[in-house]
Amino acid sequence: HLQLQESGPGLVKPSETLSLTCTVSGGSINSSSSYWGWIRQPPGKGLEWLGNIYFSGDTYYNPSLKSRVTISINTSKNQFSLKLASVTATDTAVYYCVTQLYGDHATSWGQGTLVTVSS
Amino acid sequence: QSVLTQPPSVSGAPGQRVTISCTGSSSNLGAGYDVHWYQQLPGTAPKLLIFGNINRPSGVPDRFSGSKSGTSASLAITGLQAEDEADYFCQSYDNTLSGHVVFGGGTKLAVL
Repeated sequence: HLQLQESGPGLVKPSETLSLTCTVSGGSINSSSSYWGWIRQPPGKGLEWLGNIYFSGDTYYNPSLKSRVTISINTSKNQFSLKLASVTATDTAVYYCVTQLYGDHATSWGQGTLVTVSS
Repeated sequence: QSVLTQPPSVSGAPGQRVTISCTGSSSNLGAGYDVHWYQQLPGTAPKLLIFGNINRPSGVPDRFSGSKSGTSASLAITGLQAEDEADYFCQSYDNTLSGHVVFGGGTKLAVL
């Protein structure tokens, strides 16, 4: 049973870089059918896809955030990571790491971690 | 402004049938991309409910069903139960701007 767990700071200052890591257990991050992604949800609002990565390192980003988002993968640790640069209060959200089958629907979700952007 | 449009809220009494619509355009649902649905219970992460327009993951009751036609899709819930009270999101793929995953704004289902 695949499990994902987000980790990282819950508070980030404006203009700094948000960094989160997702640890995958119960399966290999080298799966040929899985893409590893990030989705966020501002408090009381809807879902926004940030991007995903394949085990080969190929990345796909939301065009609206592409200039600020970087997703990387560490296959030896079964982890992947998110960096979001130059954050503002509008980046305050619950961030979920997910696995997307063939880069499409998200079959497994982490529990989510709230990141607040505030000075 | 979400790329996929959902009604903000729907409601129904226990035992009734409700539907939630998801409307897209020629660059997503109308282009033939699949629609998927997620259920988010209060305080929890979303859970995949329907994938590939009509398919239920193992463990999802057959009270939940999906359909898609042209630029629109629907989620139907029959035999409504109190535990179905949740937020529901549709998701697809959009081929504009080099392509990306898109969501509907979400629909809050109230069981009266």
